[in-house]
Amino acid sequence: KNEVEQSPQNLTAQEGEFITINCSYSVGISALHWLQQHPGGGIVSLFMLSSGKKKHGRLIATINIQEKHSSLHITASHPRDSAVYICAGDSGGGADGLTFGKGTHLIIQP
Amino acid sequence: NAGVTQTPKFQVLKTGQSMTLQCAQDMNHEYMSWYRQDPGMGLRLIHYSVGAGITDQGEVPNGYNVSRSTTEDFPLRLLSAAPSQTSVYFCASMTSDLSYEQYFGPGTRLTVT
Repeated sequence: KNEVEQSPQNLTAQEGEFITINCSYSVGISALHWLQQHPGGGIVSLFMLSSGKKKHGRLIATINIQEKHSSLHITASHPRDSAVYICAGDSGGGADGLTFGKGTHLIIQP
Repeated sequence: NAGVTQTPKFQVLKTGQSMTLQCAQDMNHEYMSWYRQDPGMGLRLIHYSVGAGITDQGEVPNGYNVSRSTTEDFPLRLLSAAPSQTSVYFCASMTSDLSYEQYFGPGTRLTVT
């Protein structure tokens, strides 16, 4: 069974800090999705990556296939970045191939 | 585009009652899924569909039925509600190109008493 482990579970930081959220995954997973769940509950897809690095605004996602590890970085963090960040391992595409981590609850204090 | 819509937003049921959670998408996505989200656990797949007329079970299908008569709609039916089905339910659709980007509905918070 595929597994995805996220760390930390909870993270509180000051505005402006550089944030890193980590995701480790098991053999069988070939790509990683990063999702953001807003305080109101809505879930938005941020990235899907199978190699290298992707950047969107202040968000950067990296993946190391050999180490089975992915990171999500937030530069110049802002209170509006406060959310739950979820990684999901993808074992081959399609809805049945996703295994979700439990999420990292991020709070950015002004 | 409205994206993925879900109704209702909130629902309270008594044990044994049945109901249907509605989900619709207007992006012409082939893949659609239902997840439940419980405290301390990741999203878990209930049922999914890879196209109209085709559905399959996910990780936690017991107590739920689905059908997919059109590309747009993917309703989830609770046959006889139980307190263990108290959860937040998300419907999602997914592109079938290589990005496999997921689009989530706003969720339905269901309480079974």
